[in-house]
Amino acid sequence: GQSLEQPSEVTAVEGAIVQINCTYQTSGFYGLSWYQQHDGGAPTFLSYNALDGLEETGRFSSFLSRSDSYGYLLLQELQMKDSASYFCAVRDADSWGKFQFGAGTQVVVTP
Amino acid sequence: SAVISQKPSRDICQRGTSLTIQCQVDSQVTMMFWYRQQPGQSLTLIATANQGSEATYESGFVIDKFPISRPNLTFSTLTVSNMSPEDSSIYLCSVPFGNTIYFGEGSWLTVV
Repeated sequence: GQSLEQPSEVTAVEGAIVQINCTYQTSGFYGLSWYQQHDGGAPTFLSYNALDGLEETGRFSSFLSRSDSYGYLLLQELQMKDSASYFCAVRDADSWGKFQFGAGTQVVVTP
Repeated sequence: SAVISQKPSRDICQRGTSLTIQCQVDSQVTMMFWYRQQPGQSLTLIATANQGSEATYESGFVIDKFPISRPNLTFSTLTVSNMSPEDSSIYLCSVPFGNTIYFGEGSWLTVV
């Protein structure tokens, strides 16, 4: 089976940096994805890592270490609009498109 | 990326009734997926909808409760049957894109 663990909540002030960790257990690995979901909205794709290292997209970066079964999402220069839930997800080994999601991390940005 | 449209976006339903959610994609896709997100929870796959064959349901989900149609490569429907308050959730259509998946805007159902 597969499982993912991520913190339930992180609080930070505007302008700060937040790191959301995700550890996973999978029978086969096809990359780690990250999604953002605002209250009342649908999840939107943020990033995908298949290989070790850091991927940067603007203020957000995502890191993967396959040997450690670990990844993180880094949110820099936090803005109020970054207050949302963030989910890590891995693809099922047997089904393209079937993803297992973590429980989600609620990021609260304060003034 | 694909544009995925869902209807209805929100609805309040009476218990015991059924509601059909529609999902339209702007390009042809082999597989479409239906996820559920209960309040405050993560996302759970209900079923995989393949064109020309019956949907494949995940453990805990059955066809009688969540019948799915996939008449062509750009459209699918999910029906939530005989609804109860426990069915109050966001229902999300998704399609694969590269090595990940994209979601539609979601259908927020509240069962009263």
